[in-house]
Amino acid sequence: SAVISQKPSRDICQRGTSLTIQCQVDSQVTMMFWYRQQPGQSLTLIATANQGSEATYESGFVIDKFPISRPNLTFSTLTVSNMSPEDSSIYLCSVEEDRGLGSYTFGSGTRLTVV
Amino acid sequence: AQSVSQHNHHVILSEAASLELGCNYSYGGTVNLFWYVQYPGQHLQLLLKYFSGDPLVKGIKGFEAEFIKSKFSFNLRKPSVQWSDTAEYFCAVNALGDSWGKLQFGAGTQVVVTP
Repeated sequence: SAVISQKPSRDICQRGTSLTIQCQVDSQVTMMFWYRQQPGQSLTLIATANQGSEATYESGFVIDKFPISRPNLTFSTLTVSNMSPEDSSIYLCSVEEDRGLGSYTFGSGTRLTVV
Repeated sequence: AQSVSQHNHHVILSEAASLELGCNYSYGGTVNLFWYVQYPGQHLQLLLKYFSGDPLVKGIKGFEAEFIKSKFSFNLRKPSVQWSDTAEYFCAVNALGDSWGKLQFGAGTQVVVTP
Protein backbone atom coordinates (compact mmCIF):
# COMPACT_ATOMS: atom_id res chain seq x y z
CA SER A 1 0.00 0.00 0.00
CA ALA A 2 0.99 3.63 -0.38
CA VAL A 3 3.27 5.22 2.16
CA ILE A 4 2.35 8.71 3.29
CA SER A 5 4.78 11.15 4.87
CA GLN A 6 3.15 14.00 6.71
CA LYS A 7 5.02 17.01 8.03
CA PRO A 8 5.26 18.41 10.59
CA SER A 9 4.28 15.66 12.99
CA ARG A 10 3.41 18.24 15.62
CA ASP A 11 3.62 21.95 16.19
CA ILE A 12 2.69 24.58 18.71
CA CYS A 13 1.58 27.83 17.11
CA GLN A 14 0.54 31.28 18.21
CA ARG A 15 -3.01 32.37 17.58
CA GLY A 16 -3.44 34.48 14.49
CA THR A 17 -0.66 32.71 12.60
CA SER A 18 -0.92 30.08 9.86
CA LEU A 19 0.55 26.62 9.50
CA THR A 20 1.01 24.63 6.32
CA ILE A 21 0.93 20.86 6.58
CA GLN A 22 2.52 18.77 3.86
CA CYS A 23 1.46 15.35 2.66
CA GLN A 24 3.79 13.38 0.39
CA VAL A 25 2.81 10.01 -1.09
CA ASP A 26 5.26 7.51 -2.53
CA SER A 27 3.00 6.72 -5.48
CA GLN A 28 0.64 8.62 -7.75
CA VAL A 29 -2.89 8.86 -6.45
CA THR A 30 -5.90 10.59 -7.89
CA MET A 31 -7.71 11.53 -4.74
CA MET A 32 -6.31 12.91 -1.53
CA PHE A 33 -8.31 13.81 1.53
CA TRP A 34 -7.77 15.97 4.57
CA TYR A 35 -9.36 15.08 7.90
CA ARG A 36 -9.46 16.74 11.29
CA GLN A 37 -9.70 14.98 14.63
CA GLN A 38 -10.51 17.35 17.45
CA PRO A 39 -9.65 16.30 20.99
CA GLY A 40 -11.90 13.49 22.14
CA GLN A 41 -13.84 13.48 18.91
CA SER A 42 -14.04 11.51 15.74
CA LEU A 43 -12.37 12.21 12.42
CA THR A 44 -14.14 14.71 10.20
CA LEU A 45 -13.48 15.18 6.51
CA ILE A 46 -12.36 18.72 5.69
CA ALA A 47 -11.97 18.49 1.94
CA THR A 48 -11.13 16.34 -1.05
CA ALA A 49 -8.21 17.38 -3.22
CA ASN A 50 -7.88 16.21 -6.79
CA GLN A 51 -4.91 17.16 -8.89
CA GLY A 52 -5.67 19.91 -11.36
CA SER A 53 -8.91 21.08 -9.81
CA GLU A 54 -10.15 23.09 -6.87
CA ALA A 55 -10.54 21.24 -3.63
CA THR A 56 -14.05 20.29 -2.60
CA TYR A 57 -14.89 21.36 0.94
CA GLU A 58 -17.32 19.74 3.30
CA SER A 59 -20.00 21.65 5.10
CA GLY A 60 -18.51 23.82 7.81
CA PHE A 61 -15.11 24.18 6.16
CA VAL A 62 -14.13 27.02 3.84
CA ILE A 63 -11.23 27.67 1.53
CA ASP A 64 -10.22 30.91 3.22
CA LYS A 65 -9.64 29.08 6.48
CA PHE A 66 -8.22 25.86 5.06
CA PRO A 67 -6.62 26.53 1.68
CA ILE A 68 -5.41 23.39 -0.03
CA SER A 69 -2.93 22.88 -2.82
CA ARG A 70 -2.58 19.81 -5.01
CA PRO A 71 0.19 20.55 -7.50
CA ASN A 72 0.76 16.96 -8.63
CA LEU A 73 -0.33 13.39 -8.08
CA THR A 74 1.95 12.74 -5.10
CA PHE A 75 1.73 15.88 -2.99
CA SER A 76 -0.74 18.13 -1.23
CA THR A 77 -0.70 20.83 1.41
CA LEU A 78 -3.30 22.01 3.86
CA THR A 79 -2.94 25.42 5.48
CA VAL A 80 -4.70 26.27 8.70
CA SER A 81 -5.06 30.05 8.54
CA ASN A 82 -5.48 32.67 11.21
CA MET A 83 -5.42 30.03 13.88
CA SER A 84 -7.31 30.08 17.14
CA PRO A 85 -7.21 27.61 20.04
CA GLU A 86 -10.29 25.91 18.57
CA ASP A 87 -8.11 24.77 15.68
CA SER A 88 -6.06 22.60 18.02
CA SER A 89 -6.53 19.16 16.51
CA ILE A 90 -4.85 16.33 14.71
CA TYR A 91 -4.91 16.85 10.96
CA LEU A 92 -4.62 13.78 8.78
CA CYS A 93 -3.97 13.25 5.12
CA SER A 94 -5.51 10.25 3.41
CA VAL A 95 -5.32 8.80 -0.08
CA GLU A 96 -7.46 6.39 -1.99
CA GLU A 97 -5.70 3.51 -3.64
CA ASP A 98 -7.44 1.28 -6.14
CA ARG A 99 -10.21 3.69 -6.95
CA GLY A 100 -13.61 2.40 -6.05
CA LEU A 101 -12.34 -0.44 -3.90
CA GLY A 102 -12.36 1.48 -0.68
CA SER A 103 -8.68 1.23 0.07
CA TYR A 104 -7.79 4.31 2.03
CA THR A 105 -4.42 4.88 3.61
CA PHE A 106 -3.83 7.50 6.28
CA GLY A 107 -0.81 9.53 7.18
CA SER A 108 0.47 9.64 10.73
CA GLY A 109 -1.13 13.02 11.33
CA THR A 110 -0.06 16.46 12.46
CA ARG A 111 -0.83 17.32 16.06
CA LEU A 112 -1.46 21.05 16.19
CA THR A 113 -1.71 23.04 19.38
CA VAL A 114 -2.67 26.70 19.16
CA VAL A 115 -1.82 28.88 22.15
CA ALA B 1 -27.48 13.51 7.99
CA GLN B 2 -25.87 10.14 8.35
CA SER B 3 -24.09 9.27 11.56
CA VAL B 4 -22.00 6.47 12.97
CA SER B 5 -22.33 5.39 16.59
CA GLN B 6 -19.87 3.32 18.55
CA HIS B 7 -21.43 2.11 21.74
CA ASN B 8 -18.42 1.95 23.98
CA HIS B 9 -15.84 4.66 24.45
CA HIS B 10 -13.55 2.59 26.63
CA VAL B 11 -13.22 -1.15 27.01
CA ILE B 12 -10.86 -2.89 29.42
CA LEU B 13 -10.43 -6.63 29.25
CA SER B 14 -7.93 -9.36 30.04
CA GLU B 15 -5.86 -11.30 27.57
CA ALA B 16 -7.71 -14.25 26.03
CA ALA B 17 -11.07 -12.61 26.63
CA SER B 18 -13.42 -12.14 23.71
CA LEU B 19 -13.99 -8.69 22.26
CA GLU B 20 -17.02 -7.26 20.58
CA LEU B 21 -17.29 -3.61 19.61
CA GLY B 22 -20.61 -2.26 18.47
CA CYS B 23 -21.12 0.02 15.50
CA ASN B 24 -24.40 1.34 14.17
CA TYR B 25 -24.97 3.76 11.35
CA SER B 26 -27.90 5.79 10.19
CA TYR B 27 -28.27 5.72 6.43
CA GLY B 28 -30.97 4.05 4.45
CA GLY B 29 -29.06 3.43 1.26
CA THR B 30 -26.16 1.28 0.24
CA VAL B 31 -23.04 1.69 2.31
CA ASN B 32 -19.46 0.54 2.42
CA LEU B 33 -18.29 -0.22 5.93
CA PHE B 34 -14.86 -0.17 7.52
CA TRP B 35 -13.07 -0.81 10.76
CA TYR B 36 -9.79 0.98 11.36
CA VAL B 37 -7.35 0.55 14.20
CA GLN B 38 -4.85 3.01 15.60
CA TYR B 39 -2.14 1.53 17.78
CA PRO B 40 -0.41 3.87 20.24
CA GLY B 41 1.82 6.28 18.36
CA GLN B 42 0.92 4.87 14.95
CA HIS B 43 -1.33 5.89 12.09
CA LEU B 44 -4.74 4.53 11.23
CA GLN B 45 -4.69 1.09 9.65
CA LEU B 46 -7.47 -0.78 7.93
CA LEU B 47 -8.63 -3.87 9.82
CA LEU B 48 -11.36 -4.93 7.43
CA LYS B 49 -14.02 -3.65 5.10
CA TYR B 50 -17.36 -4.69 3.71
CA PHE B 51 -18.64 -3.77 0.27
CA SER B 52 -20.96 -6.60 -0.69
CA GLY B 53 -21.32 -10.35 -0.56
CA ASP B 54 -20.83 -12.45 2.55
CA PRO B 55 -21.86 -10.26 5.48
CA LEU B 56 -19.28 -11.91 7.70
CA VAL B 57 -15.98 -10.29 6.88
CA LYS B 58 -12.62 -11.48 8.07
CA GLY B 59 -9.80 -9.03 8.50
CA ILE B 60 -6.25 -8.95 9.70
CA LYS B 61 -4.99 -10.12 13.09
CA GLY B 62 -7.92 -12.44 13.71
CA PHE B 63 -10.62 -9.78 13.61
CA GLU B 64 -13.96 -10.24 11.94
CA ALA B 65 -17.09 -8.16 11.56
CA GLU B 66 -20.67 -8.94 10.70
CA PHE B 67 -22.87 -6.67 8.66
CA ILE B 68 -26.52 -6.92 9.68
CA LYS B 69 -28.42 -4.75 7.27
CA SER B 70 -31.71 -4.92 9.17
CA LYS B 71 -30.00 -3.58 12.27
CA PHE B 72 -27.77 -1.07 10.49
CA SER B 73 -24.90 -2.63 12.38
CA PHE B 74 -21.34 -3.67 11.67
CA ASN B 75 -19.95 -5.08 14.90
CA LEU B 76 -16.31 -6.03 15.27
CA ARG B 77 -15.28 -9.22 17.04
CA LYS B 78 -12.20 -11.11 18.10
CA PRO B 79 -12.52 -14.40 19.98
CA SER B 80 -9.36 -14.05 22.04
CA VAL B 81 -7.53 -10.76 22.44
CA GLN B 82 -3.86 -10.20 23.08
CA TRP B 83 -2.06 -7.44 24.88
CA SER B 84 -0.97 -6.15 21.47
CA ASP B 85 -4.61 -5.44 20.59
CA THR B 86 -4.51 -2.43 22.88
CA ALA B 87 -5.49 0.38 20.53
CA GLU B 88 -8.26 2.70 19.46
CA TYR B 89 -10.79 1.25 17.05
CA PHE B 90 -12.86 3.29 14.62
CA CYS B 91 -15.88 2.28 12.64
CA ALA B 92 -16.41 4.19 9.40
CA VAL B 93 -19.07 4.36 6.71
CA ASN B 94 -18.96 5.53 3.12
CA ALA B 95 -22.45 6.02 1.77
CA LEU B 96 -22.85 5.41 -1.93
CA GLY B 97 -23.89 8.69 -3.39
CA ASP B 98 -21.35 10.46 -1.25
CA SER B 99 -18.04 11.30 -2.79
CA TRP B 100 -15.46 8.56 -2.66
CA GLY B 101 -13.26 8.97 0.35
CA LYS B 102 -15.91 10.69 2.39
CA LEU B 103 -15.72 8.41 5.36
CA GLN B 104 -18.01 9.13 8.25
CA PHE B 105 -16.22 7.95 11.39
CA GLY B 106 -17.54 6.88 14.73
CA ALA B 107 -16.11 8.44 17.86
CA GLY B 108 -13.78 5.52 18.43
CA THR B 109 -13.42 2.92 21.16
CA GLN B 110 -10.30 2.79 23.27
CA VAL B 111 -9.50 -0.84 24.04
CA VAL B 112 -7.05 -1.74 26.77
CA VAL B 113 -6.00 -5.36 27.14
CA THR B 114 -4.38 -6.23 30.43
CA PRO B 115 -1.88 -9.08 30.80
